[in-house]
Amino acid sequence: GAGVSQSPSNKVTEKGKDVELRCDPISGHTALYWYRQSLGQGLEFLIYFQGNSAPDKSGLPSDRFSAERTGGSVSTLTIQRTQQEDSAVYLCASSLKQPNTEAFFGQGTRLTVV
Amino acid sequence: AQSVTQLDSQVPVFEEAPVELRCNYSSSVSVYLFWYVQYPNQGLQLLLKYLSGSTLVKGINGFEAEFNKSQTSFHLRKPSVHISDTAEYFCAVSDFAGGFKTIFGAGTRLFVKA
Repeated sequence: GAGVSQSPSNKVTEKGKDVELRCDPISGHTALYWYRQSLGQGLEFLIYFQGNSAPDKSGLPSDRFSAERTGGSVSTLTIQRTQQEDSAVYLCASSLKQPNTEAFFGQGTRLTVV
Repeated sequence: AQSVTQLDSQVPVFEEAPVELRCNYSSSVSVYLFWYVQYPNQGLQLLLKYLSGSTLVKGINGFEAEFNKSQTSFHLRKPSVHISDTAEYFCAVSDFAGGFKTIFGAGTRLFVKA
């Protein structure tokens, strides 16, 4: 595809359930990010994958959050035992090898925990 | 660790007036600085970036930003705004100490009024 693709675009889940959010980056992009966007909170960094290096997980808010990137391409963000405060838009971005290249963003997944 | 502070959460301005959106960053090493824009119901896109060289950077849609190392600032300016500039603007920083992950500020919502 031409851009970063995220699925689903919207997800409503019950408190306590697990969810998986998917990101297909632009082909050839070695860097992949996950961010969380909440109203008035800006873009909160969650996790950063760069090539074959160990991911930077320093932004994950709790051990309920995890992410993997298979084959250096598709990434999945998993939230276990969802809580209402997890409700937000989850954005994925990819870029060519850092440090100074533009990040291209997907449209996001809007997660609502009820 | 690097961080970004956007001093104004909302900036209302009349059409054709000048605007400045403020951004300050914290980093102990050389940085790369970015401004991204998010139009209503759209994804984020790059407005401009500072990598090195001239401290005045020009971007799309008539925006420019000036890197000031002594004040650790990267303010965004436009001499005359249009209604279509209404959007959320995010300042971001990337540096070696942070593994070149990109960290965003909380965003500034620009309202352009007729």
